[in-house]
Order: sequence, then structure tokens, then C-alpha cells
Amino acid sequence: EAQVTQNPRYLITVTGKKLTVTCSQNMNHEYMSWYRQDPGLGLRQIYYSMNVEVTDKGDVPEGYKVSRKEKRNFPLILESPSPNQTSLYFCASSEIPGQGHQPQHFGDGTRLSIL
Amino acid sequence: LAKTTQPISMDSYEGQEVNITCSHNNIATNDYITWYQQFPSQGPRFIIQGYKTKVTNEVASLFIPADRKSSTLSLPRVSLSDTAVYYCLVGESSGNTGKLIFGQGTTLQVKP
Repeated sequence: EAQVTQNPRYLITVTGKKLTVTCSQNMNHEYMSWYRQDPGLGLRQIYYSMNVEVTDKGDVPEGYKVSRKEKRNFPLILESPSPNQTSLYFCASSEIPGQGHQPQHFGDGTRLSIL
Repeated sequence: LAKTTQPISMDSYEGQEVNITCSHNNIATNDYITWYQQFPSQGPRFIIQGYKTKVTNEVASLFIPADRKSSTLSLPRVSLSDTAVYYCLVGESSGNTGKLIFGQGTTLQVKP
């Protein structure tokens, strides 16, 4: 089954304690992306990756890091989490953007609470 | 990237047709218009995409006027299960960017 898998699904942690949210896709997609979703603000892109070892900033990259060492994995790293990073996070993947938008396949989300 | 504007929320009743309009005044020549649907506790899922005129699939229709500064997602005969958030997305031209702007979305509430 084609899917994007995020782990963990829920996490409560404290300010300053480094954490990583993993994302893995089994569709051999080149493109992967991270979003955060907050009430009243919709979905905002954090980082994206067009292929292995190629990453770039989205609209809200501050406080986040990503890496793309393998095609299937795109972890989101919070080196020193702060309460304003409490949010619902989604990972997505697609074919490489080309002629027209390539439909994104989303994971089920990770709810992070930073105390 | 074109910014999109949608109504924050809409209400409807079962069996009615629902039309959600998205404004995108700064749409670029090569930009496509895409709509996603998101149910609570799930990630968004692709519904429909178009460039101009009308596109129809088994789920919805997308109407795009000639100037392409707006688009309308049409859901025929909605049911309670169509209660969701609907996002309009505009972009990308041919492979030169992976940046996407989703906007706030429209929360559709379908009532019995």
C-alpha cells in the first residue's frame, strides 16, 4: 500500500530537548515536504526536498532542520524546541514538480506539544 | 507564488450542491489550480486540478474563468461525510520550484 509514515504520532516534551520526527514514503517519490498546521493559519510549508541531498526552505523554516540522505526518508529535526513550535505537523511526498502540480501524498500527522 | 483567498467557513445541507470560490489575483501563466480535502485527524488529500475552463472527476468539478483570477470547486449533492476543510492551492510552473502555499482553507459543515 502506498503510504507516507510519520513517527511519532503524538509527543509531549519540554523546551530545549532535541527531538526528531521521522517521515518515510514507499512510493519512490523524489519530492518530500514538511508542513505545520495551526488554527486559523492553515498549512504552512517548513522545508522541502526536490531529491536526495537537495533541501530548501519553505515559508516557516526558523527553528527547524531537515536532512535527505535517502530517497525514502525526510526527518524533521527540532534542535532546541520552544513552545511556539507546538503544532500539528504533516509530511508529504510526490513526484517531482513538473508540468502542473503533482498531487501530494500526506502522512497522518504528528501532534507535538512543547512545554 | 500566487496568494489565495477563500471563505473561512461555509454551511450546507445534505443533498445540496456546494460551491467554494478561491481568489488568486496574481496567478502566473504557468500556474495550475489544485484543491485538497482534509478530514479531522488526517492529512489533506488531492481532489482535483485544472488549468482553465472546466474539469470534472468522480468527486468534484472545478470551474476556472478565462482570466483565471479565481476558481470554484463544486461538490454535487453533498453528504455528511463531505464535512471537511478544503484548500485551494496555486502553483507551480515547470519544475523550477517546490515551494507551495496552501492558505487558510474553507471549513465546510454539512448538516442533516
